[in-house]
Amino acid sequence: GAGVSQTPSNKVTEKGKYVELRCDPISGHTALYWYRQSLGQGPEFLIYFQGTGAADDSGLPNDRFFAVRPEGSVSTLKIQRTERGDSAVYLCASSIVAGGIYEQFFGPGTRLTVL
Amino acid sequence: AQSVAQPEDQVNVAEGNPLTVKCTYSVSGNPYLFWYVQYPNRGLQFLLKYITGDNLVKGSYGFEAEFNKSQTSFHLKKPSALVSDSALYFCAVRDLTGNQFYFGTGTSLTVIP
Repeated sequence: GAGVSQTPSNKVTEKGKYVELRCDPISGHTALYWYRQSLGQGPEFLIYFQGTGAADDSGLPNDRFFAVRPEGSVSTLKIQRTERGDSAVYLCASSIVAGGIYEQFFGPGTRLTVL
Repeated sequence: AQSVAQPEDQVNVAEGNPLTVKCTYSVSGNPYLFWYVQYPNRGLQFLLKYITGDNLVKGSYGFEAEFNKSQTSFHLKKPSALVSDSALYFCAVRDLTGNQFYFGTGTSLTVIP
């Protein structure tokens, strides 16, 4: 069956530009998570959605980061005025519901490079 | 605060030998514990989880993990390592009321032929 997909797989941009990263979760999964993984580190939580609403955005580093999930399926992570420190792999994950005993299924990630 | 520690950045083991990848955790209350594996240019793949019950949990690809509440540990084990097990392994924790995972920094496992 289809897993979590993310596009693009790689994104190179210049400092100050705007980028959008897309995540298609597993069909039927109501919870969707975004994580950021820097080199040599484990994934760090950014935001998660239960349905269409952002249930917890406490991990977003600042107001340049924003994510939406308008129809409760596909999600887009948006980064304004990119900085070199934003360079990382952005991971998306989905699960049947949020929390509890349910594992998260991860996509392959989008590698963002800000020059 | 919740956290996970993976004290070894790198573990090397000979093919056919048993392997252990260590993980300790800190949560308030009872934890949900997970192991994921990451191959190069691939997403994290779920291996196994501890929710409750038997302290020895069996998962994918012959891996198992032992939950030890007194030592707050959840070490990943396999009786006989394969070269194909070489990858990056992440331990993650979540408390009973939380939704996000807290991941360790990862352990790179190399199985030497």
